[in-house]
This record gives sequence, C-alpha cells and structure tokens, in this order.
Amino acid sequence: NAGVTQTPKFRVLKTGQSMTLLCAQDMNHEYMYWYRQDPGMGLRLIHYSVGEGTTAKGEVPDGYNVSRLKKQNFLLGLESAAPSQTSVYFCASKGLVYADTQYFGPGTRLTVL
Amino acid sequence: EDQVTQSPEALRLQEGESSSLNCSYTVSGLRGLFWYRQDPGKGPEFLFTLYSAGEEKEKERLKATLTKKESFLHITAPKPEDSATYLCAVQADGSQGNLIFGKGTKLSVKP
Repeated sequence: NAGVTQTPKFRVLKTGQSMTLLCAQDMNHEYMYWYRQDPGMGLRLIHYSVGEGTTAKGEVPDGYNVSRLKKQNFLLGLESAAPSQTSVYFCASKGLVYADTQYFGPGTRLTVL
Repeated sequence: EDQVTQSPEALRLQEGESSSLNCSYTVSGLRGLFWYRQDPGKGPEFLFTLYSAGEEKEKERLKATLTKKESFLHITAPKPEDSATYLCAVQADGSQGNLIFGKGTKLSVKP
C-alpha cells in the first residue's frame, strides 16, 4: 500500500516550457487535490476533483490545468511555465466519509528559470 | 472569509520544556480541524482531527484541544525528534472537503 505517490520528485523548466505532474493513489479515494507550497504562504489549493471525470478550481488555478480520467490518477499540467510557478507541489486524496482526512504525497519541487 | 492563523511562526524549546502552539480560525461552520506535521522536504503527515469544541486527542507527547475559536497543540517534554513544522487546517461546512491551511509553526527542540 503505497498511499499517495507523485512523479517526478524534482524538475527544472525554462520559461514557456510545458510539463505534467502525476499523482497516483491506491486507497480508492474519491477526492483528490493539488496544492502549492511557497515560503511564508502556506499550502494553497490549485484544483481539486470530487470523482473520476470531474475537476474544479481552487484558490490559485490560473496557469494550471488538471485531468482525472482514472479514479486513481490526478494530473496537473503547466502549459507555459512561468517563474512565478516555481514552488513545491503536493497532491492529496481523501475518502467520502464526513470530514475525512486528506493524505498527502511526498511533493514535487519545480523550478522555472 | 474563512481564515486560519497560527502562532508563533517559530518556536525554540529545550528538550523537556513543554509548550503550546496556537491555531485561531474563522470559518462559517466548522466541519473539522486538522493538525499535520511536516518535516523538511516531505509532505504533511496527519496527526489529529477535531470535530467539536471541548474535544481533545492525544498521541505520545502531543495533545490537541479545540474551542469555538481556536485549537492548541500541547507538546509535553519534547524531544529533538519533535522538531518539525506543525500545520493547522480547517474544513468548512459546504466545502468539497477543501482545507484552509495556516502558515504553520516551525518548532525546534534542542538537546
């Protein structure tokens, strides 16, 4: 039982390049989330999904797109990376139970030059 | 606007010196308050969920309490391995399970 995994762990991009971050969970969770964490800002929600085939915007969605084609996977895309997207990205998932716990992945450290 | 404020931003303790971390929150209706621990370079690790005022939960040297406006994470006789950033988050009624996080308290415990 691996929990929540993220690929890749580190990535360096040049401004304007695109990339996709992959999140996978093996807990059969319905809900999945993408956050970014910046120094002094705390964790901020980018996008989330309440089930396979659904996505919704969070607090800071601009510049990102997401897809949830399979229940266990949640993809975060950057179409044209900008230096302001340099951050650590965390994926999380949770079940359907009332106020269920979100479980986090290990993170992806992204640098945009 | 739903909001979470944690204090202090950083706390330095000597081994064995007990203290408390504070999490103040403003939320339309509280569904749950969560405490996480985060080590450098790692993802947040779940510690506790509190649902209603007056509730308390304990785990080893940690005890979390909840009132209608704030939560405390009490650390009794801390050890160096308790050094980490502690995050507080709230889930509001009507949210899609979304959490609002505070900025965290960085705890350092010196031997």
